[in-house]
Amino acid sequence: SQQGEEDPQALSIQEGENATMNCSYKTSINNLQWYRQNSGRGLVHLILIRSNEREKHSGRLRVTLDTSKKSSSLLITASRAADTASYFCATDAEETSGSRLTFGEGTQLTVNP
Amino acid sequence: GAGVSQSPRYKVTKRGQDVALRCDPISGHVSLYWYRQALGQGPEFLTYFNYEAQQDKSGLPNDRFSAERPEGSISTLTIQRTEQRDSAMYRCASSLVMGPWNEQFFGPGTRLTVL
Repeated sequence: SQQGEEDPQALSIQEGENATMNCSYKTSINNLQWYRQNSGRGLVHLILIRSNEREKHSGRLRVTLDTSKKSSSLLITASRAADTASYFCATDAEETSGSRLTFGEGTQLTVNP
Repeated sequence: GAGVSQSPRYKVTKRGQDVALRCDPISGHVSLYWYRQALGQGPEFLTYFNYEAQQDKSGLPNDRFSAERPEGSISTLTIQRTEQRDSAMYRCASSLVMGPWNEQFFGPGTRLTVL
């Protein structure tokens, strides 16, 4: 079963705007990872945030983690048409530490030029 | 450097045939994972290895699915007597280290179509 659930399922914005995607999960985790999947292509690793971290940045990406609410958000600032993709959160649960990632169903982001 | 590679990229087979999907992880990566992804959904875990040892195969759907990594590098996922419901994207990932903070890097996947 899918632990992570992304919200919204689809998001359409204009180039230059910020995009925020949310992820909720159910069990205690070691870390949470965000991936991007372009149409018909592979999964690209974006960022990993550990359970003891609250915020992490990488370029135009900002990820937050609230373990008390079992939720995370991915913010993409100053979006570009090339950011159009599906974004997935994936959790590494404590009970299956370091073994499997459990993915959500993803948010489809469309950035209009 | 080279990423995770998978072959073939596309496989079309007839129901009842066996297929073997190959994964070549990033050189030196200890752990190797197999996932399956249906259209419009996120990947689902199948199995994983640390070195050559299969650590968890609880995600394999049934006994028609098996995987091996005999020398701790390349891995093969085999599906026997394929069925139409096996059609999906099969993805392999590897990570440098074991443990709870390992980033998993994915290959391009093998698109399997069972007719």
